[in-house]
Amino acid sequence: KNQVEQSPQSLIILEGKNCTLQCNYTVSPFSNLRWYKQDTGRGPVSLTIMTFSENTKSNGRYTATLDADTKQSSLHITASQLSDSASYICVVSAKNDYKLSFGAGTTVTVRA
Amino acid sequence: GAGVSQSPSNKVTEKGKDVELRCDPISGHTALYWYRQSLGQGLEFLIYFQGNSAPDKSGLPSDRFSAERTGGSVSTLTIQRTQQEDSAVYLCASSSGTGGLKTQYFGPGTRLLVL
Repeated sequence: KNQVEQSPQSLIILEGKNCTLQCNYTVSPFSNLRWYKQDTGRGPVSLTIMTFSENTKSNGRYTATLDADTKQSSLHITASQLSDSASYICVVSAKNDYKLSFGAGTTVTVRA
Repeated sequence: GAGVSQSPSNKVTEKGKDVELRCDPISGHTALYWYRQSLGQGLEFLIYFQGNSAPDKSGLPSDRFSAERTGGSVSTLTIQRTQQEDSAVYLCASSSGTGGLKTQYFGPGTRLLVL
């Protein structure tokens, strides 16, 4: 069964600090991995997408990495802002399958 | 342009009642998905529509759940005889086609509470 596990479940950081979120997956055959940001009361919004050949992708202060050999990904948030408070969801897609595998998410709280 | 919209945004109902949740996808998107998001869990796939093809209903948890998509656009998810365990956020997403490289755009969700 395709699975996506994220850690930590939640974290609290001070404004301006950095943090890193982890994602491990067992989805196979692998197609791509996305990180989504979900603000409270909103739907998820795609931040980054990485295919097998890509090992890093940035979107502003968000940088995602992918190690397809170990099936691990991370999302690094630099110089956090209050608006970064949200749930970050790792989503993995298998080849030739429109169904996505979702992690449970990491809830990030940024405090002033 | 407008994104995916869903209505109602919140729904409180009594156990045993039927509810209808609506999704308006992005105009021109041929693929539409329904997901359920329970607290502390990942999104759970419910049903998938693609163009005029037969929908993939494999994720529907019971025969109390059904969905339709009229005219290849608006979709309605119906839950009959609601149970307390149906309480969750129901998210709709649409994309311009199938395949993992196609970005799914999500609506804000409908928060369903069954008392």
